[in-house]
Order: sequence, then structure tokens, then C-alpha cells
Amino acid sequence: EVQLLESGGDLVQPGGSLRLSCAASGFTFSSYAMSWVRQAPGKGLESVSAISGSGGTTNYADSVKGRFTISRDNSQNTLYLQMNSLRAEDTAVYYCAKCSGSCYTGSFDYWGQGTLVTVSS
Amino acid sequence: DIQMTQSPSSLSASVGDRVTITCRASQSISSYLNWYQQKPGKAPKLLIYAASSLQSGVPSRFSGSGSGTDFTLTISSLQPEDFATYYCQQSYGSPYTFGQGTKLEIK
Repeated sequence: EVQLLESGGDLVQPGGSLRLSCAASGFTFSSYAMSWVRQAPGKGLESVSAISGSGGTTNYADSVKGRFTISRDNSQNTLYLQMNSLRAEDTAVYYCAKCSGSCYTGSFDYWGQGTLVTVSS
Repeated sequence: DIQMTQSPSSLSASVGDRVTITCRASQSISSYLNWYQQKPGKAPKLLIYAASSLQSGVPSRFSGSGSGTDFTLTISSLQPEDFATYYCQQSYGSPYTFGQGTKLEIK
């Protein structure tokens, strides 16, 4: 059974940093691209970042480019999102999502339960 | 970025009704269009991938169609558990953008 368990969400001040983690199990982690998708309170879904199975290819939404870094440790079956220079508009539930192969031309076929990031002074 | 526009933004319907939600892309995305269902406080769930393929375990009352820029999600006979918010998402180009959502409510 595929399981994705996010952690690391917290209350942080504007300008601060946070690292989210997603522990994966139930599939061959290194064979699948992974993604982070966020949802601001009462709003829709926004694809934030994605990473290939090897970790060699990444992409980012313009809203987070230069501030967020996606990475993965295939030996630990864990996905990360390093978030720097956080802004109030980054406040959201952050979901870890598995791609059905590649995210490009694929789909987000499994999702974690989400972790809440609140950026506020 | 590819913009995805859903209509309507909200919809009231009754159990047993046939419902159609549309999604339009700002450029051709071939058939790289997925549909998700989200219930309050829960993670989204994949329903349809590649425009018309039913994800394993999803009831057959859900179906998808379309290609290029125009897509539809149809629920043939609404069940009580189908009242939720539905999102389309394109996977043709990064960032893999979502529509704004369609909230399906009980009439």
C-alpha cells in the first residue's frame, strides 16, 4: 500500500525558513517523480514543485522560484521541500504527491494527508 | 504557464442527476488532463487520468472526455458521496497547473 507522510509544517515568521519532509513507502521510490502541491486556506490547488525519480530534473512555480528547493533522498525514501524567505502568501497546506511515473504527461496518483505551514508574525 | 479554466465554479444538483463539469486549457494539451475529487479536510483523489482513463477503484459513473483544449468530467448518476470539489489539472507543461475548482453541492 502506497503511503506518503508529510511532516515539518509549523508557524514561522515572514522571512523565515522551514523544511518539509515526506516519507514514502509501499512503492519503489526512486522509480517515480514526486511533487509538492499546496492549498491556501479556502483556496484551490497550486503545483509548487516537482522532481524526477533520480533527482536530476526539477521544476518550480514562478511564485516560489529562487526561494524553494525540492530534493529527495532515494536511500531514505524521503522527499523534501526547503522553503526560504517565506511570505504570508505561502501559508497553506502542503501536500506531497506521487507522480504516475513522470509528472510530465502523468498524474498525481497518490497524495499524503498534508502538513500546514503558517507564515505570520 | 498554461491556464486552466473550469466551469461552472459551483453547481447544485440532486442525487441521481447527471452532471457535467468543463475544463478549458489556454493552449492545446493533447490528452494530458487529469481530474481530482477533494472532500473538506481531505487530500485530493485522482479520478480520471489522460482525459478519459478511469483510475483504479473509481466508480464507473465517473467518465472523462476531450482533447486539445476542451475537456469534460461527467457523473452519470450522482450519489451522496459525490458532493465535493472537483479540479482539473494539466500535465503537458510545468508548472502542472490546476483549474480553480468546481464545488458540487446538494440541491
